[in-house]
Amino acid sequence: EVQLVESGGGLVQPGGSLRLSCAAPAFIFSSYYMNWVRQAPGRGLEWVATINPSGRDKYYVASVKGRFTISRDNGKNSLDLQMNSLGAEDTAVYFCARGTELGASPFDSWGQGTLVTVSS
Amino acid sequence: EIVMTQSPATLSVSPGERTTLSCRASQSISKNLAWYQRKPGQAPRLLIYGSSTRATGVPARFSGSGSGTEFTLTISSLQSEDFAVYSCQQYSDWPLSFGGGTKVEIK
Repeated sequence: EVQLVESGGGLVQPGGSLRLSCAAPAFIFSSYYMNWVRQAPGRGLEWVATINPSGRDKYYVASVKGRFTISRDNGKNSLDLQMNSLGAEDTAVYFCARGTELGASPFDSWGQGTLVTVSS
Repeated sequence: EIVMTQSPATLSVSPGERTTLSCRASQSISKNLAWYQRKPGQAPRLLIYGSSTRATGVPARFSGSGSGTEFTLTISSLQSEDFAVYSCQQYSDWPLSFGGGTKVEIK
C-alpha cells in the first residue's frame, strides 16, 4: 500500500481560502489518476475532485466547481487542492487517494486526511 | 448524477456471525462498484472492486456480489477488527459517488 500524506488543513473563516497538499512518494505518481475525497462530521464520504496523469483533465463535484482547483506536480510527486470561497459546508476531513491509470476508478491507497474547519 | 443508497444504516452483529450489507445505485453501473472499510482516525481501506474482486491483502471472509443496480458485501464470520463503517462507491460515471455508509457494530 502506498503512503500518501496530506497537509495544509486548519481553521479558516467563511469566504477564505486554503490550499491542501498531498505528498505521494514510492510509486510512479505520474501514471495515476489522483483524487480528493472528503468526509464532513457525521456524514459519509464525498468525492471532491479527480485529475488525470498529465494534469490536463479535471473533474469536480458540482458543489465545488468554480471554487476548488485540483492540480499536480509530477516532478515533485505532489497533488494540491486550492479551495476558495469556503463555507461551513466545506468543513470536513479531506483525504487524498490514488486511483488507477485508466480513469474513473476505485481508490486503492489513501492518506490519513487533513481537517479543514470553516468557522468564524 | 448516480445516487448510491446503502442499507441498513446500522447493523448490530455478534462476533462470528455472517452479515450482509446492501448498496443500490439509482441507475445501472454494471460492475463498477467498490467497497471500503472506514475506522475512526484511519485512512479508508479498499476491500472490493469490480463488485466482487478482493483488493490485495483482504481476507477471504469478505465477498462482494451484484451488477447493475443491486450490490451486496458479505462478511462470512465477523472478527473483532471488522466492526467499522462500510461504504460503497460507484465509478461508472462522473461525478463519482459514495453511499452514506453502513455501520457494523457489536451486538
